[in-house]
Amino acid sequence: DQQVKQNSPSLSVQEGRISILNCDYTNSMFDYFLWYKKYPAEGPTFLISISSIKDKNEDGRFTVFLNKSAKHLSLHIVPSQPGDSAVYFCAASDSGTYKYIFGTGTRLKVLA
Amino acid sequence: GAVVSQHPSWVICKSGTSVKIECRSLDFQATTMFWYRQFPKQSLMLMATSNEGSKATYEQGVEKDKFLINHASLTLSTLTVTSAHPEDSSFYICSGKGSSYNEQFFGPGTRLTVL
Repeated sequence: DQQVKQNSPSLSVQEGRISILNCDYTNSMFDYFLWYKKYPAEGPTFLISISSIKDKNEDGRFTVFLNKSAKHLSLHIVPSQPGDSAVYFCAASDSGTYKYIFGTGTRLKVLA
Repeated sequence: GAVVSQHPSWVICKSGTSVKIECRSLDFQATTMFWYRQFPKQSLMLMATSNEGSKATYEQGVEKDKFLINHASLTLSTLTVTSAHPEDSSFYICSGKGSSYNEQFFGPGTRLTVL
């Protein structure tokens, strides 16, 4: 049972344009969500997070949106840069356990 | 963000041997450490959670006698894969969480290949 899903395994975007990565979850107990960036053979790097009491969080070029009623979150990267090319994982957690459930990842390729 | 290291970064071993992987939080105290496994082109799967000084809590389907976890200090956790078999070959990643952070910080991972 995949509690966190990223339905797009890959995404290609032109440099300078917006990248939108999507994530859906099923467990209504999740109250904290994160996005990580990962290169092959490396550990994930934290990008941005959002608590369930918010619907938007912004950090530089990265913005995460949370729609609790739809159990959906998205990561917007504007403008996209070639260095953003990586695999992006969303993760969900409930604050009681601090355990993360990861999505399957979306490979983003930003074309120069 | 905080820094977590792992050692070794890669290891090749013979079937039946044991392998120890170290995970260190370099600039913070990790009250909780997590161990994940990632198979090629798949997600990170949580194997176990350990709190300093306590026994690890294993996820369903993870054999605790095979994957021994020790979290003896606030900066060090070890994962020992005992009697390794080729199906244990994977990318193992640890993470640490300190009391001052909401996020987990991940190590660079260890590639284990069992021949």
